[in-house]
Amino acid sequence: DAKTTQPNSMESNEEEPVHLPCNHSTISGTDYIHWYRQLPSQGPEYVIHGLTSNVNNRMASLAIAEDRKSSTLILHRATLRDAAVYYCILIRTGNQFYFGTGTSLTVIP
Amino acid sequence: EAGVTQSPTHLIKTRGQQATLRCSPISGHTSVYWYQQALGLGLQFLLWYDEGEERNRGNFPPRFSGRQFPNYSSELNVNALELEDSALYLCASSLRVAGAGSPLHFGNGTRLTVT
Repeated sequence: DAKTTQPNSMESNEEEPVHLPCNHSTISGTDYIHWYRQLPSQGPEYVIHGLTSNVNNRMASLAIAEDRKSSTLILHRATLRDAAVYYCILIRTGNQFYFGTGTSLTVIP
Repeated sequence: EAGVTQSPTHLIKTRGQQATLRCSPISGHTSVYWYQQALGLGLQFLLWYDEGEERNRGNFPPRFSGRQFPNYSSELNVNALELEDSALYLCASSLRVAGAGSPLHFGNGTRLTVT
């Protein structure tokens, strides 16, 4: 199964943009890129997903490299409620979702 | 729309006992996934059920088993509990075409403690 690589932790100041990177050099043409986040004592929450083009929703933006070997989750203005572990995963149709250990984001007031 | 619900919230068992965890997916979702999350670690894939059938399982011993009922709810059974089975067990559901873009929706998990 396709694997992803993320930094273990990142910090951001409140109200500043945050760019969370993810490398997925073994991605195949049919793999979707999904991002989830997990707040303490909760199950993971869907954030955004994409295939080839950049995507925007009310929570975040997803920037996908032209060769699709990397992607970046962008939080436009970090708030304290955005402090969580962020998971980047690749999904193939009909396959299960494998989560890595993610990036722990700390937001500094 | 009700989200994914899991019961019980907390479960305390002793070593050697059996534990049963339950999950109700979002209405209309036919796929159910189970994950184990040990303290401080990432999510480890356990089982995937779709339309009542086990479609895939992760690298866990056979004492981890489950089933999916006709109403698409699911049960995870862990036999002969060991101390290292203590973890948060998460259930997620998705539309059957999950993977073609459909996201996973998670419950808040069952915290299993084995003493």
